[in-house]
Amino acid sequence: EAGVVQSPRYKIIEKKQPVAFWCNPISGHNTLYWYLQNLGQGPELLIRYENEEAVDDSQLPKDRFSAERLKGVDSTLKIQPAELGDSAVYLCASSLRTGGQETQYFGPGTRLLVL
Amino acid sequence: ELKVEQNPLFLSMQEGKNYTIYCNYSTTSDRLYWYRQDPGKSLESLFVLLSNGAVKQEGRLMASLDTKARLSTLHITAAVHDLSATYFCAVDSNYQLIWGAGTKLIIKP
Repeated sequence: EAGVVQSPRYKIIEKKQPVAFWCNPISGHNTLYWYLQNLGQGPELLIRYENEEAVDDSQLPKDRFSAERLKGVDSTLKIQPAELGDSAVYLCASSLRTGGQETQYFGPGTRLLVL
Repeated sequence: ELKVEQNPLFLSMQEGKNYTIYCNYSTTSDRLYWYRQDPGKSLESLFVLLSNGAVKQEGRLMASLDTKARLSTLHITAAVHDLSATYFCAVDSNYQLIWGAGTKLIIKP
């Protein structure tokens, strides 16, 4: 079974430029997450989708970040314009909630460097 | 607000030794996860602990959960170099995972 796929793996851009990340979750997983991970820290949730609905976007900086999950499968995360402080690893995860148990499976991440 | 604290944050140890990583959290939760992350890699699920007193073991790693003390431990037995990684605990809060800062474990041959 294929895992969570993300692209690109690495991205270098200049500040004020736009950037987009793509995620394809594990087939059948209805919940999708975008996280930001800074070096030496744990992941921080940006947004959570249940199917195509964003059910928790309280920590998404909406002035510059946007996300979508059309048809409840693939998702894109966009930053426009990027700032130096956005340099981090952007992780996508997916899960399937069954009973009370849910394990999030993570993709390899996109490492963003803003110059 | 739920807070998750891990300690130690950094641990260097010799092969063959035993050690324990601690994960404390501040409010009630009945689901706790342990993940492993290798440098430059993504997060790999190790254990899901769902109830008080839960204990799970995989190879040289054993995780336990005490919901009354709001404490989980990850015990490493007879460490080997391949276990070098950063280990994260994460606590479920209304289907949102709150993550610890991670414990960077280095095991020297």
